[in-house]
Amino acid sequence: DAGVIQSPRHEVTEMGQEVTLRCKPISGHNSLFWYRQTMMRGLELLIYFNNNVPIDDSGMPEDRFSAKMPNASFSTLKIQPSEPRDSAVYFCASRGQGGSYEQYFGPGTRLTVT
Amino acid sequence: KQEVTQIPAALSVPEGENLVLNCSFTDSAIYNLQWFRQDPGKGLTSLLLIQSSQREQTSGRLNASLDKSSGRSTLYIAASQPGDSATYLCAVMPLSNDYKLSFGAGTTVTVRA
Repeated sequence: DAGVIQSPRHEVTEMGQEVTLRCKPISGHNSLFWYRQTMMRGLELLIYFNNNVPIDDSGMPEDRFSAKMPNASFSTLKIQPSEPRDSAVYFCASRGQGGSYEQYFGPGTRLTVT
Repeated sequence: KQEVTQIPAALSVPEGENLVLNCSFTDSAIYNLQWFRQDPGKGLTSLLLIQSSQREQTSGRLNASLDKSSGRSTLYIAASQPGDSATYLCAVMPLSNDYKLSFGAGTTVTVRA
């Protein structure tokens, strides 16, 4: 299994530009999570999807952030317009049904907004 | 609100020494606790997951214990190697929901050759 796949791995953009981060969860997993990691705040859950439906988006910081999961194998996190304070590492994670609820993380996208 | 604390924030040991990493949490109503490893610039790799009904889990040189009543977990790494150098994070999942992990800030370990 290839694990959780994220793209791009690095993104550098200018303030005001739109940024789209992509995630492919592990095949067969029905839950998907987007996290943000910063030195100041550590790891924070942004949004949680179950069976492609957003269940908890209370961690999405502002309306500038939006996430979609059009099917079981693809999700996007979009920031529009981007700001320097959005600079962080964004992780996607997935997990299967039932059992231990173990989450599997992707390699992350390092976003720098100048 | 669940608070997860990891002490120390950083640790440096000579190769071969056993590592002891601590994690404490304020709310004992947890479903499970998970230990992760994060290498610089990389994602999180799950090391061990302990269900709330379990006292410990072992994988190779790694052993994690859980004392739910006192809100503590310890990760032991036996006979440390330079390749063990990384940041180790613990995360707890509450009983109140089955998805919202609360993470500690991590312990950064350096194993000196």
